[in-house]
Amino acid sequence: KQEVTQIPAALSVPEGENLVLNCSFTDSAIYNLQWFRQDPGKGLTSLLLIQSSQREQTSGRLNASLDKSSGRSTLYIAASQPGDSATYLCSGNGGSNYKLTFGKGTLLTVNP
Amino acid sequence: DGGITQSPKYLFRKEGQNVTLSCEQNLNHDAMYWYRQDPGQGLRLIYYSQIVNDFQKGDIAEGYSVSREKKESFPLTVTSAQKNPTAFYLCASSIGGRRLANYGYTFGSGTRLTVV
Repeated sequence: KQEVTQIPAALSVPEGENLVLNCSFTDSAIYNLQWFRQDPGKGLTSLLLIQSSQREQTSGRLNASLDKSSGRSTLYIAASQPGDSATYLCSGNGGSNYKLTFGKGTLLTVNP
Repeated sequence: DGGITQSPKYLFRKEGQNVTLSCEQNLNHDAMYWYRQDPGQGLRLIYYSQIVNDFQKGDIAEGYSVSREKKESFPLTVTSAQKNPTAFYLCASSIGGRRLANYGYTFGSGTRLTVV
């Protein structure tokens, strides 16, 4: 059974700092990996999707990487802004089914 | 704009009452999902449907029921058998099949259910 762990559970940084959020999974047979952002009381917004054949994806100040051999993914946020404050969720699905398995998230606070 | 619409945004349920949460998508996605989110527990899968008229139980299906009569709709009923229904419920959809790898999941804005 796939399990996803996110470290740290919470992170507080000053504005402008570069930061890394970590995600690890127990089953290396992961088909694709998706990072989401969730604001309080809201749904999930997709940030980046790393497909099975890819190792990283970039969108603006965000970069996500996937290393299947080590069972790890990282989300890099450059030049953080207060508007980046949210919970970041990592999720993955195995190739044999449609179900996503989620980590519990990292609560990020960027202080002005 | 294409997307997923969940309604209502807030729902209050009395003890012993069944309530139905609505989820509608206009993305032409084949697969739809219901997740439950509790503080400190992350998202847990309740039910999912890969095609119309077919659905499977997820990890926490007890006390819930679903139907998939139309491709664009996947309503979730929280029955009186669900003893702790207070939570945030999220609906999602995906293209499905091998194409899932290319497009991932899209989520709705959620329904917050509270027992009163």
